[in-house]
This record gives sequence, structure tokens and C-alpha cells, in this order.
Amino acid sequence: QSALTQPASVSGSPGQSITISCTGASSDVGSYNLVSWYQQYPGKAPDLMIYEGSKRPSGVSNRFSGSKSGNTASLTISGLQAEDEADYYCCSYATSGAWVFGGGTKLTVL
Amino acid sequence: EVHLVESGGALVQPGGSLRLSCAASGFTFSSFWMHWVRQAPGKGLVWVSRINSDGSDTIYADSVKGRFTISRDNAKNTLYLQMNSLRAEDTAVYYCARDAQSARADYWGQGTLVTVSS
Repeated sequence: QSALTQPASVSGSPGQSITISCTGASSDVGSYNLVSWYQQYPGKAPDLMIYEGSKRPSGVSNRFSGSKSGNTASLTISGLQAEDEADYYCCSYATSGAWVFGGGTKLTVL
Repeated sequence: EVHLVESGGALVQPGGSLRLSCAASGFTFSSFWMHWVRQAPGKGLVWVSRINSDGSDTIYADSVKGRFTISRDNAKNTLYLQMNSLRAEDTAVYYCARDAQSARADYWGQGTLVTVSS
């Protein structure tokens, strides 16, 4: 149950697009299209932003999109806004039936 | 409206025990799998455990296996986490989360803080 690998931080200016990668293994990300992404503000509980790799729950802006290639999933945020500044976590179902999270990425909007 | 409210967090000495609760409302609790996820101060999210809808199947992270027990009382709409042999590294905010299938947690509680220290 090794954590998925995410960059510690990314940054972008308002209006730009950023992408956060999430690298796992053949036992998790590579084997299932069951990657979810969560947004978390300081001191708050996480919010679901993407599930099944690329699906958005109702109410989530279409500026958020997800994809997967091999053992790596990605979250892209387009038209960056100040309110997007938060921590982002990927999560994948693993062969054992467990879930595994990434280490988290701090997004800074410049 | 779906609500998940955790309770039971406290300061406990190493080696001690604690039971967390998560009271659910606004949905048919007995139909959903549930999870516990924790977050150490200043650190990332870590999955802890999962229980299926009727409590017959559970799974744990290696770091807590043999020490923690997840359970539920569907009559009381409550999820539990019994934590034994607590260690300093178990210090974290513990969240309960609803599993909406497809490995997604669509609702989370506000979390309860467990501090393990002498």
C-alpha cells in the first residue's frame, strides 16, 4: 500500500491551466479506472472533484477535468481562479480492495 | 441532506485505546459502504479502513491492521472505529466518509482529532 506520487506543489496565474499528475502502479492506478480527486481547503474536509478518472459530480465546475494513461492519472484545472487555491489529492482503488491516496499537491494561484 | 458527524477524539497516552463514532443522517445508512480516512497535522490524507454495508466485510491499511477495528450499527446509523495500542504516529484528524461506489467518497464528516502523547 505505497502512496501514489504527486508533485508537492504547482502554481499558475489566473486564467491559466495547470495539471497535477498522480503516479501509481499496476496494482492500483494502472489496473482500474477508479481514480478520484479531492480538493481540500485548510481546516476543512475534502470535497470530491473527479471520480472514475474523468467524471465530475454534479456541482463541480467543468474547469476541472481528469484523465489517465497507464499508471499515471492527471487532474487539469483550466481558467485558474483564486478560489482554486487549495490542496489536491488523488486516490485510487487497489487490487487488495484498499484505497490509496497520493501525498497531496498544494496549488498556488499567483 | 447528508450529514456525517464524528466524535470521540481525545488526548490519549501511547498504548491506550479510543473509540471513534460517526453519526450518519440524511440517507439510508445501511445501503452504503463506509470508510475512515486520517490526516496527521500538516500531512496528507491516508486511508485507514473500509466496511461494507452490512458489516460482514472489512479491510484495513497495513499500518493499523491488528490494532484498529471498524464496525457499524445500522439500527443506530452509526459507524465506529475502535483504536487500540495507540502510537504517537496515530495522531491525526480522523474523517468518516461515505462510499458512493466506484471508489469515491462523496460525503465526508468534519473530522475528529486524536492526539497520542504522554
